[in-house]
Amino acid sequence: ELKVEQNPLFLSMQEGKNYTIYCNYSTTSDRLYWYRQDPGKSLESLFVLLSNGAVKQEGRLMASLDTKARLSTLHITAAVHDLSATYFCAVDASGSRLTFGEGTQLTVNP
Amino acid sequence: SAVISQKPSRDICQRGTSLTIQCQVDSQVTMMFWYRQQPGQSLTLIATANQGSEATYESGFVIDKFPISRPNLTFSTLTVSNMSPEDSSIYLCSVWIGYEQFFGPGTRLTVL
Repeated sequence: ELKVEQNPLFLSMQEGKNYTIYCNYSTTSDRLYWYRQDPGKSLESLFVLLSNGAVKQEGRLMASLDTKARLSTLHITAAVHDLSATYFCAVDASGSRLTFGEGTQLTVNP
Repeated sequence: SAVISQKPSRDICQRGTSLTIQCQVDSQVTMMFWYRQQPGQSLTLIATANQGSEATYESGFVIDKFPISRPNLTFSTLTVSNMSPEDSSIYLCSVWIGYEQFFGPGTRLTVL
């Protein structure tokens, strides 16, 4: 059974600081996804990582994938309040069926 | 991308009743997926709905509790049957467009 683990689960950080969210998974896969969820809202797709070594950046967020280590990271640079949300990673290891991590609840404080 | 709509957006239901959730996509897709998100939790896949065949359920979910219909390539329904307070969740449908999975806005269900 595929397990996807994120850490930390809760992250409180100050504006302007940098931090990294980690996503580990337990079985071979070269497809990993990052989503953002605001309170009471649905999921917004952030990044699609489809191969080992993939790196994607959008604004203050950068995601990477190491399929050999079964690890993805979501790096936050110079955080701003608007980034406050819950971030999920998800792995596709069985034909289009995503398994989600527990989510990281990020709060960015002024 | 895909435009996905769900009805209802939210509902409050009594224990023992059933609710049918509708999901409409703006393009034809082979598979549609139904997820559940319990309060404060992550998403769990309930089932995959294929047009013209029976839905495929994940471990822990059964057809009697969550019957699914898929009458055409743009529409699906999920029924939550004989509800209990433990069924209070957000239910989301999703589809793949290329390598990306898009989610509907969700149906927030509260069971009293």
